[in-house]
Amino acid sequence: SQQGEEDPQALSIQEGENATMNCSYKTSINNLQWYRQNSGRGLVHLILIRSNEREKHSGRLRVTLDTSKKSSSLLITASRAADTASYFCATVSSGGYNKLIFGAGTRLAVHP
Amino acid sequence: NAGVMQNPRHLVRRRGQEARLRCSPMKGHSHVYWYRQLPEEGLKFMVYLQKENIIDESGMPKERFSAEFPKEGPSILRIQQVVRGDSAAYFCASSPETVDGYTFGSGTRLTVV
Repeated sequence: SQQGEEDPQALSIQEGENATMNCSYKTSINNLQWYRQNSGRGLVHLILIRSNEREKHSGRLRVTLDTSKKSSSLLITASRAADTASYFCATVSSGGYNKLIFGAGTRLAVHP
Repeated sequence: NAGVMQNPRHLVRRRGQEARLRCSPMKGHSHVYWYRQLPEEGLKFMVYLQKENIIDESGMPKERFSAEFPKEGPSILRIQQVVRGDSAAYFCASSPETVDGYTFGSGTRLTVV
């Protein structure tokens, strides 16, 4: 079964606005990763946050992790039309080996 | 560093034929994972392999699907007697020994007609 659940399922915003996507998971994790997928294309790794980290930044991306609530959020600031894509969170469970379990994704549309 | 190479990029098969999907991991990566993505859905784990060993195949359908990662050569995902429901994008990823550092290939899009 899938580990992560993203919400919202779809998000539509205007260029320049911020986009926030959330992810919840069920089991203890070693790390949580966010990926982007443009329509019909492969996955691009965006950022990895470890279970002992609470926040991480990369350019216009900010990821938070709350292990007590088993949730994470991805914030994209000052969005651009090129950010239009599906965004997935994926977890690596602790105590086991390194396989990724993906959520169903958030489809982000950024309108010019 | 060529990254994870998957081929073919697109594969069309008639119902009942066999599909063979190939994945060459990144240099130095000894762990290979296969995922399937149906249209408008997330990726679903299928199988995790190390060289000559299947570590976890809990996501593989019980019949018609098999995977291998031989000592030499790419990892192969084999689907026998394909059906229309097998149409999907199949992604391969590889990683080194550590739990991070995943790299995905561009995927093989299988269409069963």
